[in-house]
Amino acid sequence: GQQLNQSPQSMFIQEGEDVSMNCTSSSIFNTWLWYKQEPGEGPVLLIALYKAGELTSNGRLTAQFGITRKDSFLNISASIPSDVGIYFCAGQLRVSAGNNRKLIWGLGTSLAVNP
Amino acid sequence: NAGVMQNPRHLVRRRGQEARLRCSPMKGHSHVYWYRQLPEEGLKFMVYLQKENIIDESGMPKERFSAEFPKEGPSILRIQQVVRGDSAAYFCASSPANREGSGNTIYFGEGSWLTVV
Repeated sequence: GQQLNQSPQSMFIQEGEDVSMNCTSSSIFNTWLWYKQEPGEGPVLLIALYKAGELTSNGRLTAQFGITRKDSFLNISASIPSDVGIYFCAGQLRVSAGNNRKLIWGLGTSLAVNP
Repeated sequence: NAGVMQNPRHLVRRRGQEARLRCSPMKGHSHVYWYRQLPEEGLKFMVYLQKENIIDESGMPKERFSAEFPKEGPSILRIQQVVRGDSAAYFCASSPANREGSGNTIYFGEGSWLTVV
């Protein structure tokens, strides 16, 4: 099925470092969503983006909806140990009558933080 | 404001038995999605439902799997005659009604872990 290109696949960083990950697609999306998943838990929504060029922050997290509508990035500043987890991007095609709104997912970025 | 509620959180079934997973969407949400996640893998879309309608079941295996979202009550994902390969985490998500031309946020439950022995 359709899938987003998410990179990097994994990251191992020192506490306090900044982190950047991104997703790209060949399709144009109407919505970009970023989720974090920890072991044994469901994905938790971090940031939702609805407009091209939109830049949104949630605490130390910042995400942007690319101008082309085909990409998005997520930055985490000053990482801490509890940032450990798998970060997923998900895109949603333009909503119109009759469209289903299932998400297209990236394969995730696994983040490890060394205290 | 309760989130997406799934139960059971953990379910163990013997090969050949049936598994039923339930999902109550967030209050005010009329769209439900089911995803499957195998260990060390991403989420795989299974089915998308609105009340009493299956909108997209392109990710559902053709046999043994079925889903419903009745007018009253939770959405049910049913797996008949389970096999070991069905062992996975099954996540339900919900979103509010469609808004023409705009995106909607999708919220996930904490998942149901199925183990087939």
